[in-house]
Amino acid sequence: AQKITQTQPGMFVQEKEAVTLDCTYDTSDQSYGLFWYKQPSSGEMIFLIYQGSYDEQNATEGRYSLNFQKARKSANLVISASQLGDSAMYFCAMSRRTSYDKVIFGPGTSLSVIP
Amino acid sequence: NAGVTQTPKFQVLKTGQSMTLQCAQDMNHEYMSWYRQDPGMGLRLIHYSVGAGITDQGEVPNGYNVSRSTTEDFPLRLLSAAPSQTSVYFCASAEDQESYEQYFGPGTRLTVT
Repeated sequence: AQKITQTQPGMFVQEKEAVTLDCTYDTSDQSYGLFWYKQPSSGEMIFLIYQGSYDEQNATEGRYSLNFQKARKSANLVISASQLGDSAMYFCAMSRRTSYDKVIFGPGTSLSVIP
Repeated sequence: NAGVTQTPKFQVLKTGQSMTLQCAQDMNHEYMSWYRQDPGMGLRLIHYSVGAGITDQGEVPNGYNVSRSTTEDFPLRLLSAAPSQTSVYFCASAEDQESYEQYFGPGTRLTVT
């Protein structure tokens, strides 16, 4: 069965420093996609970054990068130069590649950025 | 573009009542979905649709019905509300099933007493 694990329920980071949020996954699919979403205290879900299982390069979107290690089944999110507005819940998710009929989310990591 | 809109934002139901959560998008997206989010958990997929007239079940479909008569609208019906359905409900859309970016609505907070 597919499963997403996020072992850090809460993280703290100093403003302007980098932080890594961990995500490991389990799937028997050969082709799959990995996502990260941000949920601020206001409640909306914001798409951050996507990595396909066959993509050779790690995905990057501005200050966000995804450290994809396929053999270890990990897809960690790296946020560089943290800002106060980065304080939020972060969810790792997985689906069949570009297909949502088996999308699953992890339990989330709460990130607090300290000034 | 309004994006993905959901109504109502808050709702309180008594056990056994029925209601419909509304979801609409104005981006001409083919794919739409409903999730629920419970405390300490990520989102769980309830139902999804890959186009008008086509719906399918996700991970937790029991107690919920959906229909997709138009591209824009994807209502979620609770047939007989139960306290276990107390949750925050999110609707999302994507351009099509091959897209990887989903756009989420603001959510509906439902309490069943």
